[in-house]
Amino acid sequence: QKEVEQDPGPLSVPEGAIVSLNCTYSNSAFQYFMWYRQYSRKGPELLMYTYSSGNKEDGRFTAQVDKSSKYISLFIRDSQPSDSATYLCAISNTGNQFYFGTGTSLTVIP
Amino acid sequence: EAQVTQNPRYLITVTGKKLTVTCSQNMNHEYMSWYRQDPGLGLRQIYYSMNVEVTDKGDVPEGYKVSRKEKRNFPLILESPSPNQTSLYFCASSSEGRAQHFGDGTRLSIL
Repeated sequence: QKEVEQDPGPLSVPEGAIVSLNCTYSNSAFQYFMWYRQYSRKGPELLMYTYSSGNKEDGRFTAQVDKSSKYISLFIRDSQPSDSATYLCAISNTGNQFYFGTGTSLTVIP
Repeated sequence: EAQVTQNPRYLITVTGKKLTVTCSQNMNHEYMSWYRQDPGLGLRQIYYSMNVEVTDKGDVPEGYKVSRKEKRNFPLILESPSPNQTSLYFCASSSEGRAQHFGDGTRLSIL
């Protein structure tokens, strides 16, 4: 069983829509949760980081962790064409060894 | 400008010919890590280093070596590359493991 599973999509939404991206993980010991955005031909860049459970908001982005369900989510409000990218979830239990989801490809249509 | 620099960006080589991919960061980060990215498998961690002379295996270390003799550099060594190591490789660094800064990747093709 993989440590983290992510729906690969692709996901296509109209500009202005709310986007929901999700991952599930297998081990309740994981306590660090991250979302990265990756544009084509570039390295991933950190969007959101959450420790343990709860919500975190940063502008149009909200990260949510539900440890009881082993489920993490990223919501994008008022999506823009510049949000078109691949989104990767990542988890860690120690802060030095990481497991990434396979990524969800998102296209926001103007 | 804060950055993680990988070289080369692209390399085509043959089975068995030793190669090194360099990684350098200018942010004085203690933590550095190598990943490979493959379609359908995502990013998988190869090795990581918590500081100079401290390295540890990630999820897929077989066939790779690393060294950390200086804080800024973390080279990835393939002593006898094989076709199944054809992949897109990323180096990352962080002052704390969670908020990693990634390089732009090295695309390796091993024939």
